[in-house]
Amino acid sequence: DGGITQSPKYLFRKEGQNVTLSCEQNLNHDAMYWYRQDPGQGLRLIYYSQIVNDFQKGDIAEGYSVSREKKESFPLTVTSAQKNPTAFYLCASLAENGELFFGEGSRLTVL
Amino acid sequence: KQEVTQIPAALSVPEGENLVLNCSFTDSAIYNLQWFRQDPGKGLTSLLLIQSSQREQTSGRLNASLDKSSGRSTLYIAASQPGDSATYLCAVRHTGNQFYFGTGTSLTVIP
Repeated sequence: DGGITQSPKYLFRKEGQNVTLSCEQNLNHDAMYWYRQDPGQGLRLIYYSQIVNDFQKGDIAEGYSVSREKKESFPLTVTSAQKNPTAFYLCASLAENGELFFGEGSRLTVL
Repeated sequence: KQEVTQIPAALSVPEGENLVLNCSFTDSAIYNLQWFRQDPGKGLTSLLLIQSSQREQTSGRLNASLDKSSGRSTLYIAASQPGDSATYLCAVRHTGNQFYFGTGTSLTVIP
């Protein structure tokens, strides 16, 4: 089945550690997105990529990094510079008709 | 900057009722509007996509309307069921593939 796979579903990080969240899609979509969701807040854009080897900062990019070496993959690294990384992270991709599809999310907790 | 508002934040109805969820946006220059469903701890599931040239879309018991000039969209759910309990989010898309999300309406359908 076509879709977006995020892993891991749950992740725990110690202070000072970098962690990487995986996002893989087999929908053949060009554009991919990373969002952060906190309780009571709307989704906030971290990074997005329109095409392979290109990506743009979103509204809250500080403390995060991404790469887009393959069309199917858009991993997000949460660095130690991110002061409050505990959140629910959502990866999405954009179909040609303009419909946005999401993965199941990854919950990151800082210990 | 585009602002998307969903009122009410929470709604509780008895099973079988028809209900309307509201979404308003401040900038009418949108490319499309999408409604999503989110279950606790899960990703967003696309329900309906309305292009800017369309007035409404229907899928089963769901009907979404769009009035660009007034900056409003509604999601109508007919004959509500306990399985409809979830958070419903709307998102508007602008040119440049940017999306703006509301904070959602949490729906509880009481058996």
